[in-house]
Amino acid sequence: NFMLTQPHSVSESPGKTVTISCTRSSGSIASNYVQWYQQRPGSSPTTVIYEDNQRPSGVPDRFSGSIDSSSNSASLTISGLKTEDEADYYCQSYDSSNRDVVFGGGTKLTVL
Amino acid sequence: QVQLVQSGAEVKKPGSSVKVSCKASGGTFSSYAISWVRQAPGQGLEWMGGIIPIFGTANYAQKFQGRVTITADESTSTAYMELSSLRSEDTAVYYCASGHSYGDVLFWLDWGQGTLVTVSS
Repeated sequence: NFMLTQPHSVSESPGKTVTISCTRSSGSIASNYVQWYQQRPGSSPTTVIYEDNQRPSGVPDRFSGSIDSSSNSASLTISGLKTEDEADYYCQSYDSSNRDVVFGGGTKLTVL
Repeated sequence: QVQLVQSGAEVKKPGSSVKVSCKASGGTFSSYAISWVRQAPGQGLEWMGGIIPIFGTANYAQKFQGRVTITADESTSTAYMELSSLRSEDTAVYYCASGHSYGDVLFWLDWGQGTLVTVSS
């Protein structure tokens, strides 16, 4: 079993770029795809990145995903920050060893 | 894009069971991977299990094995999640989500609006 660790919170100013990390505790980050979900206060989650770097239709290209084998982590980068991007962001992957889904603990993004 | 509409809020006594529904429209229900994910107040997301209706067999997170049952009715494009032996720690918003599952890949593209289940004596 592995864990996905995210920073508890990040903050940045409108118009800037922010990157949220998601570090896998064991096994290669490249072994299983990573997804990213956005959850605004009081709302259901929505998917912003799937299969490491794919954007669902309707998600602006300000959102991008990547993985880095050297740090064994995935990253969500949001450029041109808007106040509407303020939300909790969760990374998610799949544990092949026990066929379980793993979520990161979530990162609260503040845009101020 | 798949639209998922869940049943309404529930208040249950400890030890009882709850069954939440999730009706899908706008897609090919049978071939999608439907999962249930819950979120306790102020906490993160937790996967409970899922099913691909065309295959019919559900798989469950180890934590919920023996206590959760996930089913799907292809005739009505509706998925169900039943959780038994409820305790106060099961108080949460329960989401259904629809997506794709193949090999060691599982992810979701569409989410329901959530169903609040409150367990209280």
